[in-house]
Amino acid sequence: DGGITQSPKYLFRKEGQNVTLSCEQNLNHDAMYWYRQDPGQGLRLIYYSQIVNDFQKGDIAEGYSVSREKKESFPLTVTSAQKNPTAFYLCASSRGLAGNTGELFFGEGSRLTVL
Amino acid sequence: AQSVTQPDIHITVSEGASLELRCNYSYGATPYLFWYVQSPGQGLQLLLKYFSGDTLVQGIKGFEAEFKRSQSSFNLRKPSVHWSDAAEYFCAVGADSNYQLIWGAGTKLIIKP
Repeated sequence: DGGITQSPKYLFRKEGQNVTLSCEQNLNHDAMYWYRQDPGQGLRLIYYSQIVNDFQKGDIAEGYSVSREKKESFPLTVTSAQKNPTAFYLCASSRGLAGNTGELFFGEGSRLTVL
Repeated sequence: AQSVTQPDIHITVSEGASLELRCNYSYGATPYLFWYVQSPGQGLQLLLKYFSGDTLVQGIKGFEAEFKRSQSSFNLRKPSVHWSDAAEYFCAVGADSNYQLIWGAGTKLIIKP
């Protein structure tokens, strides 16, 4: 079945450590997204990529980095510069621009806790 | 600026009762409107969407939503809820040629047995 796979599902990190969250899709979608979800705040866009080897900052990119070397993969690194990294992270993909088609396909999320 | 407001942080409904979740948006033109559902600890799934045409749209799982331009609203409804509908519901607005959706803060639906 086609879909989006995020790993790990749960991750604990000590302060000062970088961590990388994996996101893989087999839907053949061009666009991929990373969102951060905090209680009561909805979804906030961290980075998005419309095509391989290209990506743009979203609303809250500070302290995060991404790469898009393959169409299927869009890993997110949470760096030590992110001041409040404890959150639920969601990866998504879409066939075209999200605002146009509206249909985002989501992974099951990764919950990061900083100790 | 575009914005989406979901006035109710959480709503409690008895199983079998009807449901209406409110969504108001602020946007200069006719927006594209969406409702997504998120089960606990999971990703989001698209319930339904409105682009144009008939203002009453049908979605999956027996949900429907009505676009009311005069009220800038896109409320989600279901005639009879089931315990499996307990989840968080998000309203979102998009625009043609836009790379992202603007999200509401979500409404958590609690079902009483």
